[in-house]
Amino acid sequence: EAQVTQNPRYLITVTGKKLTVTCSQNMNHEYMSWYRQDPGLGLRQIYYSMNVEVTDKGDVPEGYKVSRKEKRNFPLILESPSPNQTSLYFCASRRGGEKLFFGSGTQLSVL
Amino acid sequence: QQPVQSPQAVILREGEDAVINCSSSKALYSVHWYRQKHGEAPVFLMILLKGGEQKGHEKISASFNEKKQQSSLYLTASQLSYSGTYFCGTPYNFNKFYFGSGTKLNVKP
Repeated sequence: EAQVTQNPRYLITVTGKKLTVTCSQNMNHEYMSWYRQDPGLGLRQIYYSMNVEVTDKGDVPEGYKVSRKEKRNFPLILESPSPNQTSLYFCASRRGGEKLFFGSGTQLSVL
Repeated sequence: QQPVQSPQAVILREGEDAVINCSSSKALYSVHWYRQKHGEAPVFLMILLKGGEQKGHEKISASFNEKKQQSSLYLTASQLSYSGTYFCGTPYNFNKFYFGSGTKLNVKP
């Protein structure tokens, strides 16, 4: 089954404690991206990747890092999380100009 | 750079129609529409490409006018299952993807 797998589904952490949210897709998509969703603001792109070792900033990249060492994986790293990064995060992938396939989301709370 | 969606929220009775609009200050080359149920991932509805085409998916259809930099989503004879938040999205330069702030649709019996 074609899918984007995101983990964990829920995460509670404290300010400054490094964390990684994993994202993996089994569709051989070149394009992968991360979004955060906040009430009233919709989905905002954090980072995207066009292929292995090719990443670039989206609209709200501050405080986040990504890496693309393998085509299927695109982890999101928060090296020193802060409370304003409390949000619902989605990973997504797609082929060319086609539709986005989303992961099931990660609800992150930073205390 | 986010597309602007209107209205922000709609309440309907089953069987009623609704229109959700999406407009952009920048040129649009394609428009995506997604629906999201509370706590779930967005689900793809349709993509519209340049050419002013109109696409349909059961009783949900959409139009795209690239001259006006606008797209509209039409929901006819709404069902309870249509409830959720609808987002338009567009890849302004293919790679950077921008979504509207969403339209919350509530269909009541």
